[in-house]
Amino acid sequence: ENVLTQSPGTLSLSPGERATLSCRASQSVSSSHLGWYQHKPGQVPRLLIYGASTRATGTPDRFSGSGSGTDFTLTISRLEPEDVAVYYCQHYDISGLLTFGPGTKVDIK
Amino acid sequence: QVQLKQSGSGLMKPSQTLSLTCAISGDSVSSNSVAWNWIRQSPSRGLEWLGRTYYRSKWSINYALSVRSRIAINPDTSKNQFSLQLNSVTPEDTAVYYCARDPGYCQSCLDVWGQGTTVTVSS
Repeated sequence: ENVLTQSPGTLSLSPGERATLSCRASQSVSSSHLGWYQHKPGQVPRLLIYGASTRATGTPDRFSGSGSGTDFTLTISRLEPEDVAVYYCQHYDISGLLTFGPGTKVDIK
Repeated sequence: QVQLKQSGSGLMKPSQTLSLTCAISGDSVSSNSVAWNWIRQSPSRGLEWLGRTYYRSKWSINYALSVRSRIAINPDTSKNQFSLQLNSVTPEDTAVYYCARDPGYCQSCLDVWGQGTTVTVSS
């Protein structure tokens, strides 16, 4: 089973700062099978990025995804107060199983 | 516009069976390109994928290893919906449960989610 690890656990930044969130897989994964989700308190999770770097419909362009192999990154170029949320990476493997990472909580200072 | 509407039990006692339904509008449970998923979220576990069902000339189902022995996900083509049953629940199954669609074009991303159902297991 491919295990996803996310770091840091919590990220506290000021508005306008750059946020860099990491997702590491225990085994190499296909970039096309890696996604990122935003989950705000009291709301439904929202797909941000799929295929490691493709923005989903409605995702602001300050969000970008990159990476390959075992290391993937979600970057928020200029943090806004509305970006406070927990961010999860998610992987699909060819056996048909989906896995989420433990999440990174993003706070505003 | 695809919408998923969840219904089902919220407060449960240990050893009971959790039963939830996800009604689909704007898409078909029998679509040959889509998969229908159940996920749960708790403070201790974050998001946890539970399983999915999909139709590709025949019905297939995948379950997470953590719940494989006590879960069932079934499609209902007559009502265009799918269901989740989780047997022998314990307090560790307390979570918000979501249904979600994998649209097929993005290698198992989840683009539409149900509203969520809070399930509490307590004696």
